[in-house]
Amino acid sequence: EDQVTQSPEALRLQEGESSSLNCSYTVSGLRGLFWYRQDPGKGPEFLFTLYSAGEEKEKERLKATLTKKESFLHITAPKPEDSATYLCAVQFPRYSGGGADGLTFGKGTHLIIQP
Amino acid sequence: DAGITQSPRYKITETGRQVTLMCHQTWSHSYMFWYRQDLGHGLRLIYYSAAADITDKGEVPDGYVVSRSKTENFPLTLESATRSQTSVYFCASSLGFDSYEQYFGPGTRLTVT
Repeated sequence: EDQVTQSPEALRLQEGESSSLNCSYTVSGLRGLFWYRQDPGKGPEFLFTLYSAGEEKEKERLKATLTKKESFLHITAPKPEDSATYLCAVQFPRYSGGGADGLTFGKGTHLIIQP
Repeated sequence: DAGITQSPRYKITETGRQVTLMCHQTWSHSYMFWYRQDLGHGLRLIYYSAAADITDKGEVPDGYVVSRSKTENFPLTLESATRSQTSVYFCASSLGFDSYEQYFGPGTRLTVT
C-alpha cells in the first residue's frame, strides 16, 4: 500500500485557471512534508517544507497547506512556465516499519498549463 | 557555485559490467543520498550517508555499493549491472536527516543492455 499518494496523476489547465494538487499520506508521526518541482530531464527542485497541521507557505503563484493527513499545493493564475511534475515527499519517523529511512515520495502530478 | 553535480549524465553499459556513478557537492552538507526514479514507482532511496565513512541502506539497496571517503563525494557502484537497474539516478544532499529539505543533482540516465 502506498504511503504517499498524489492526485490527480495529470492535470491540464488553461493559463490563468487556478487549481489544487493533493498529497495524502497514511503513516502517523509526520516529521516533515516537502514539495518539489521537476522539469523534464532535470532533478527535483525544492519548493516548500511543512511541519505541522495548519501551516502554510507561499512562493509566487504557489501556496502549500498542510492538514493532519494531506497537503495541498494551490496554483493561482498559472502560467505556461508552471508546467512541470510536482512531487510530494514525506519524512516519516525512523523505524516506522512502513518504509525506508529518508524521504518517501509520491508518484507526482504532471501539470500542463496551456496558453 | 556548482552545488551538486553528477557524472556521467548519460551512460550505456552491458549486463554484468561494473559501473560507477559519481556525485559531488560543494555545500559541505553532512547527509548525501542516492535515489532511483522509474516510471510507476517515483523516487526510491537506494543508500544514504550521514558523514564520511558512515553509510546505510535505503529501500532498494540490492546490487548497489556506496562509499564515502570524503564529505563532498558519494559514488554509487553497480557491481554487476542488470537490465532492471536501467533507471535515472539522482544524488541529493542535505544539512541533516530529520525534517531537512534535500537538494538534488541533475541525474544520470543509465541504460543496461
